[in-house]
Amino acid sequence: AQSVTQPDIHITVSEGASLELRCNYSYGATPYLFWYVQSPGQGLQLLLKYFSGDTLVQGIKGFEAEFKRSQSSFNLRKPSVHWSDAAEYFCAVGGSSTSGTYKYIFGTGTRLKVLA
Amino acid sequence: NAGVTQTPKFQVLKTGQSMTLQCAQDMNHNSMYWYRQDPGMGLRLIYYSASEGTTDKGEVPNGYNVSRLNKREFSLRLESAAPSQTSVYFCASSYSIEAVTDTQYFGPGTRLTVL
Repeated sequence: AQSVTQPDIHITVSEGASLELRCNYSYGATPYLFWYVQSPGQGLQLLLKYFSGDTLVQGIKGFEAEFKRSQSSFNLRKPSVHWSDAAEYFCAVGGSSTSGTYKYIFGTGTRLKVLA
Repeated sequence: NAGVTQTPKFQVLKTGQSMTLQCAQDMNHNSMYWYRQDPGMGLRLIYYSASEGTTDKGEVPNGYNVSRLNKREFSLRLESAAPSQTSVYFCASSYSIEAVTDTQYFGPGTRLTVL
């Protein structure tokens, strides 16, 4: 069955520290992978996406993610976190199932807290 | 260019009442979606509309109905609200559901409480 797992519910980092948010997926076909960010009281905004090619993907706001097929992972990273990065982050996988129906599955989210 | 707009932003209902959540997009997108967001469960797809005139069930459709009024508008109706429908509801749109790499654009959400 298709699934997306974000193992960390909460993460706290100090401003200026590096960040890595984990995402593991289970998907039968070639996965299309996304990271979204949700600021408090807002809708979701796309940070980056991967569907083919270079496995290291650059996104907005200085974020990047690396697709590792062997580990079924698509972890999000940022070298130096800013206070404004405090938000909830969602990993998602999209694609068509073998029956042709639409699938777009979100993980449960990781809430990031940034300490000054 | 407003993107995806949703009304209302907040709503409190009593059990058994009905209401319609409105969603509109001005990006000329073909596909639209309704999600609910609950703590610890991420976003779950309620219904989607691949194109004008079509709607399909998502993961959690029970207790909801939808209408794709035209290309711009996609409404979600709760006929008889239940406390289990207390949630934050997000509408989203994308150019085409067939292009699975498409970005989904989200509205700001409606926070619904059912007493």
